[in-house]
Amino acid sequence: AQSVTQLGSHVSVSEGALVLLRCNYSSSVPPYLFWYVQYPNQGLQLLLKYTSAATLVKGINGFEAEFKKSETSFHLTKPSAHMSDAAEYFCAVSEPAAGNKLTFGGGTRVLVKP
Amino acid sequence: GAVVSQHPSRVICKSGTSVKIECRSLDFQATTMFWYRQFPKQSLMLMATSNEGSKATYEQGVEKDKFLINHASLTLSTLTVTSAHPEDSSFYICSATPGAGFGGYTFGSGTRLTVV
Repeated sequence: AQSVTQLGSHVSVSEGALVLLRCNYSSSVPPYLFWYVQYPNQGLQLLLKYTSAATLVKGINGFEAEFKKSETSFHLTKPSAHMSDAAEYFCAVSEPAAGNKLTFGGGTRVLVKP
Repeated sequence: GAVVSQHPSRVICKSGTSVKIECRSLDFQATTMFWYRQFPKQSLMLMATSNEGSKATYEQGVEKDKFLINHASLTLSTLTVTSAHPEDSSFYICSATPGAGFGGYTFGSGTRLTVV
């Protein structure tokens, strides 16, 4: 069974500083991996996804993530945080063998300090 | 890009009544739709998976008689919360995927249900 662990339920960064959100997954086969962002009372917006192509994936809003099979990780980074990055971030994994169902991590709330 | 419209965005209903939430894929055919529930400050919990023309597959612990899911067409799925109670108050989110070839998932904007 697949599972996703996001280290740190809350992350506080200063505006302009590096944003690093950690995600580790457990899957029996190479999965598809995603990062989503959620603003209050809204649905989820896709930041980026890994689907077995390049291991370094670039997404929207300056975010990128690197798939490391040996570490079963898919950490999300952004070189310079902006106030508008304050939101909840979810890492998710899906496996074709599991009917393509998405399994979400617990989420990380990002606070950006001026 | 792919758009999923979810309606209503907010609904307040009285205890014992039923509420229907709609999820529409506007510019693609959604072979599969998913329904999630999200409690405050928590992650999304998958409730059920629905494929067009088939009965929904519910996750363990989800009452299929309380949460009725219909996926009658390739662009519309509905979730009906029957005989709602205050503990059903939550944020419900749908997502849709075209399926084959893995086009990814698109999420609706969510529905805040409050049962009073």
